[in-house]
Amino acid sequence: AQTVTQSQPEMSVQEAETVTLSCTYDTSESNYYLFWYKQPPSRQMILVIRQEAYKQQNATENRFSVNFQKAAKSFSLKISDSQLGDTAMYFCAFMNGGKGGSEKLVFGKGMKLTVNP
Amino acid sequence: EAQVTQNPRYLITVTGKKLTVTCSQNMNHEYMSWYRQDPGLGLRQIYYSMNVEVTDKGDVPEGYKVSRKEKRNFPLILESPSPNQTSLYFCASGREMNNEQFFGPGTRLTVL
Repeated sequence: AQTVTQSQPEMSVQEAETVTLSCTYDTSESNYYLFWYKQPPSRQMILVIRQEAYKQQNATENRFSVNFQKAAKSFSLKISDSQLGDTAMYFCAFMNGGKGGSEKLVFGKGMKLTVNP
Repeated sequence: EAQVTQNPRYLITVTGKKLTVTCSQNMNHEYMSWYRQDPGLGLRQIYYSMNVEVTDKGDVPEGYKVSRKEKRNFPLILESPSPNQTSLYFCASGREMNNEQFFGPGTRLTVL
């Protein structure tokens, strides 16, 4: 079974600084997808960024980028120029790329990020 | 506006009183799913559906039922709620299994 581990339960960063959130996962599959979701105090789940395992290039979305290390099964999220609105819970998630069977989003336990003014 | 809606958003009930949480999406997505979120555990899948009349268990299906009679709706049914089902519930939908999943706003359920 796939597992996702977020080892840092909580982090804080000063506004405008850069912060990296770590995530590791375990799978025997070669085709899969990885995601970072943000959950602000409103509780809405918001997709931040996604990465296809077959793509070597790291995904980027504006201030958000990932460091995808497939061999190490590591998928960290870098937030540049942190803003107060980035304060939220962040969840790393895995999805098997195959069809049929028990595909689902497998989430890590989450990490609380606080951006301080 | 493309969205996933859930009702109710908040519910306080008592043990054993049957309840249904509705979920509806307007994006013509085949795939729909229910998750529960508990502190320190992240989100865990309860049930999912690949299409109309096709449902399957996720990681924590005990105590829940679902149905998928129409493509747009995927209600979650608790026949006899218990306090350990107190949680935050999310419905999600997606066009294909591997594409982005769109989440509803969440339903905060308290079972006394």
